Amino acid sequence: NAGVTQTPKFQVLKTGQSMTLQCAQDMNHNSMYWYRQDPGMGLRLIYYSASEGTTDKGEVPNGYNVSRLNKREFSLRLESAAPSQTSVYFCASSLHPSGETQYFGPGTRLLVL
Amino acid sequence: AQSVTQLGSHVSVSEGALVLLRCNYSSSVPPYLFWYVQYPNQGLQLLLKYTSAATLVKGINGFEAEFKKSETSFHLTKPSAHMSDAAEYFCAVSGVNTGFQKLVFGTGTRLLVSP
Repeated sequence: NAGVTQTPKFQVLKTGQSMTLQCAQDMNHNSMYWYRQDPGMGLRLIYYSASEGTTDKGEVPNGYNVSRLNKREFSLRLESAAPSQTSVYFCASSLHPSGETQYFGPGTRLLVL
Repeated sequence: AQSVTQLGSHVSVSEGALVLLRCNYSSSVPPYLFWYVQYPNQGLQLLLKYTSAATLVKGINGFEAEFKKSETSFHLTKPSAHMSDAAEYFCAVSGVNTGFQKLVFGTGTRLLVSP
């Protein structure tokens, strides 16, 4: 039981490049989330998927897109990376969206030059 | 909108001393409240959560938190700090405004433990 896995662990991009961050969970959870963590700002929700087939914007969705590929996988895409997107990105999942514990992956460190 | 305020970006204690990390929330309806811990270069893991059952919630590693509606607080405590408690701690809330579907995190408090 690996829990929540994220790939890659670390990535360097140039401004304007695109990339997709991958997330998978093996806990049969219904809900999945993408956060970014910046110093002094805590975690901010980018997008979430309350259940398979649905996605919704969070607090900071601009510049990102998501795909809930199936129940296990939830990917985050940066179409044209900007230095402001330099951050640590965390994927999380929970059994249900309401009031449930969220389980976090180990994170992806992204540097945009 | 729901929000949480964590007082103090850094808290320093000596090993064996009381740990007190403060969290205040804003919500018109009692929310669900969580404390998460993040060790260096790792993801977050749940310490404890309040979901309208007992107001004193016990978590892992000897931590506990008390929900006080009158003070809109959910402070985290541990009677005796251990070196292994050094980490960053996040308070989070989910509430009726978002159908309890989203967590809103505080900005975090880094706990430093000295020998």
